[in-house]
Amino acid sequence: SAVISQKPSRDICQRGTSLTIQCQVDSQVTMMFWYRQQPGQSLTLIATANQGSEATYESGFVIDKFPISRPNLTFSTLTVSNLSPEDSSIYLCSVGNQGYEQYFGPGTRLTVT
Amino acid sequence: DAKTTQPTSMDCAEGRAANLPCNHSTISGNEYVYWYRQIHSQGPQYIIHGLKNNETNEMASLIITEDRKSSTLILPHATLRDTAVYYCIVRGPIIQGAQKLVFGQGTRLTINP
Repeated sequence: SAVISQKPSRDICQRGTSLTIQCQVDSQVTMMFWYRQQPGQSLTLIATANQGSEATYESGFVIDKFPISRPNLTFSTLTVSNLSPEDSSIYLCSVGNQGYEQYFGPGTRLTVT
Repeated sequence: DAKTTQPTSMDCAEGRAANLPCNHSTISGNEYVYWYRQIHSQGPQYIIHGLKNNETNEMASLIITEDRKSSTLILPHATLRDTAVYYCIVRGPIIQGAQKLVFGQGTRLTINP
C-alpha cells in the first residue's frame, strides 16, 4: 500500500486568494488524482495529474481555477485559485499504480471566508 | 462507467453481519465492481473488488449475482468502527485505461451497540 500525506491538513482563506495543496507519496506511483468533497456530498473527481504533461480535467473543472503540477512520480500540487465560499470543501489526493486499488490521502479541509 | 444505485442509509447491530446491496444493471462484461468506505473525516479506504466470482478478504465478502446486475458487500461481524459511508463503484479494466473512480452517494451504514 501507499502512504499519502497532504499539506496543509486544513486552512481558512479569504475570498479572492489562492491555496496550494501538496500531496506526497512514499513510493513512485503511476496515477495521481485530485478529488473535491463538498460539505455533506460525495467525492467528485477534479482531474488526473499526469507526470510531465498537463493534467486532464473533468467536465466542469478548468485549469485556470485548479492548476495542477506533477513534477515527479511521488509529488503533486493542486492550487485552488480566486477563492470563493463555494470552494469550501475537502480536497483529496489519491494514487494508484496499474493494480486495482487506489489509495487516498487524509484530505485538506478548506474554509473560505 | 455503469451507474450504481445504493440505499441511502442502513443500520446494523454490533456483532451481526452487515449486508450492503448495490444495483448496477447496466454493467458491461469487462467492468469490475469495487467497494470503498469513508469513515468520518478520513479519505476513502479500499475494501474489495470483483468481476464475476464471489470474493473474500480480511475485511469483507463480495457476492455478485450471476447476471452481474447487482452485488452485496458483507461485513461478517460488524463493529462500531465499521460505521462509515460505503461506496459501490463500477469501473472498467485499468489496462484499458479505465483508471478513475466515479463515486455515487453511497450508503451511510450505522452500527449500533
